[in-house]
Amino acid sequence: NAGVTQTPKFQVLKTGQSMTLQCAQDMNHEYMSWYRQDPGMGLRLIHYSVGAGITDQGEVPNGYNVSRSTTEDFPLRLLSAAPSQTSVYFCASRPPLGELFFGEGSRLTVL
Amino acid sequence: AQKITQTQPGMFVQEKEAVTLDCTYDTSDPSYGLFWYKQPSSGEMIFLIYQGSYDQQNATEGRYSLNFQKARKSANLVISASQLGDSAMYFCAMRENYGQNFVFGPGTRLSVLP
Repeated sequence: NAGVTQTPKFQVLKTGQSMTLQCAQDMNHEYMSWYRQDPGMGLRLIHYSVGAGITDQGEVPNGYNVSRSTTEDFPLRLLSAAPSQTSVYFCASRPPLGELFFGEGSRLTVL
Repeated sequence: AQKITQTQPGMFVQEKEAVTLDCTYDTSDPSYGLFWYKQPSSGEMIFLIYQGSYDQQNATEGRYSLNFQKARKSANLVISASQLGDSAMYFCAMRENYGQNFVFGPGTRLSVLP
């Protein structure tokens, strides 16, 4: 049971570099989302999608882009990394009205 | 706007005792769901329990129960017979049924003492 798969698990970037966090789910969920987790702040929503071709901003979208070309995949792109983007990132999906299923998380450090 | 408050940054409990983790929420939507997640030191997010706003009874899942007081807008998690493996961060979250997204509280770090 793969569930939600995120890659990479760890990444170190220099300021200004770009990267993509990959997320894939095999549960046929229409809803997918990206969160960042910072100490004392819980999980904050970056972007979300309610289906292929549809994306929208969450609470903290600045500096991140997403796309949703298929139901399964929802990559998160950092166009020009900044130290403030050092965080743990979680991808999550859910069925209608159900709980969120999370990936294992990706720890990103921006130097 | 949705908001979740967890006022206990850290809690200690003796092994085999019960512990209550507090969660209060704010919403103007009459239909919503409340969720608790556990995050052990390994980092994954584990779903524990769900309570719907119209559910007549408090939710229970094994050693976990949810003390739901709708008028007070509180949804406290009760863990009975604590085990060392319960040491983790615990997050309360809410989703309004007419909305798409979850809102999370800041979390409570529970430490179970032997």
